[in-house]
Amino acid sequence: ETGVTQTPRHLVMGMTNKKSLKCEQHLGHNAMYWYKQSAKKPLELMFVYNFKEQTENNSVPSRFSPECPNSSHLFLHLHTLQPEDSALYLCASSPHPGAYNSPLHFGNGTRLTVT
Amino acid sequence: KQEVTQIPAALSVPEGENLVLNCSFTDSAIYNLQWFRQDPGKGLTSLLLIQSSQREQTSGRLNASLDKSSGRSTLYIAASQPGDSATYLCGSQGGSEKLVFGKGTKLTVNP
Repeated sequence: ETGVTQTPRHLVMGMTNKKSLKCEQHLGHNAMYWYKQSAKKPLELMFVYNFKEQTENNSVPSRFSPECPNSSHLFLHLHTLQPEDSALYLCASSPHPGAYNSPLHFGNGTRLTVT
Repeated sequence: KQEVTQIPAALSVPEGENLVLNCSFTDSAIYNLQWFRQDPGKGLTSLLLIQSSQREQTSGRLNASLDKSSGRSTLYIAASQPGDSATYLCGSQGGSEKLVFGKGTKLTVNP
C-alpha cells in the first residue's frame, strides 16, 4: 500500500472515446503530479498541482485535461487520444513541490491502451 | 536542460554478488538525487534520497552516493537477492522543482 491509489489499473479505449483516470492520496500531501511512462523513454512530467492550483503544464496536448478538486484527488480526463498515447500513467504526491527532503510517493499507475 | 543517464540499461548477476548501478546528470545545480525501484506493471517505490549537501545515504543493503561536482550518483547493492530484481531509476530534482528521470537499469538477480 503506497498511500496513493490509482483507478482503473488498466484501460482500453478507442480514439473517439472519453475516459478519466483517477488518483487519490491518503498522505496529507498538498502537491500532486501526473507522469507518463512510455516504453524505452524516461518518465515525463505532465502536470503539477499545488494546493489544487496547477503550477506546471509540461507542454501537454489539450486532449489531456487535468482536474484537481482538492488536495487529495487528481483526475486526468482523456478525449480523442492517439495510439501513441498508450503508456503507463503514474500519479504521485509530495508534501509540496519544493519539499526537497521528501521523496515523491507514486501510485501503481493506469496502463492505458488506445486502439 | 537537465539530462539524466543510467548505465547499464540492463544487468544480470548471480545471487550474492555485490553490484553498482550508475547515474549521471548534466546540471550539478540540484537539490537532491532520488533512487527508486519499479517492479513490472507497478509504480515507483522510493529507496533513497540524497540531499545536495550530503555525500551518501544508506538503507539496509543499499548505499547511494552523490558527487555533485562530477555529476554522478551510484547505488550499491550488497549481497544481491532474487527479490532485488526490478528496474532501478534515478531522478534529480533541481531549481525548477521538476524531478528529471533516467531511463532506468533493469536488474536481474539469478538464483
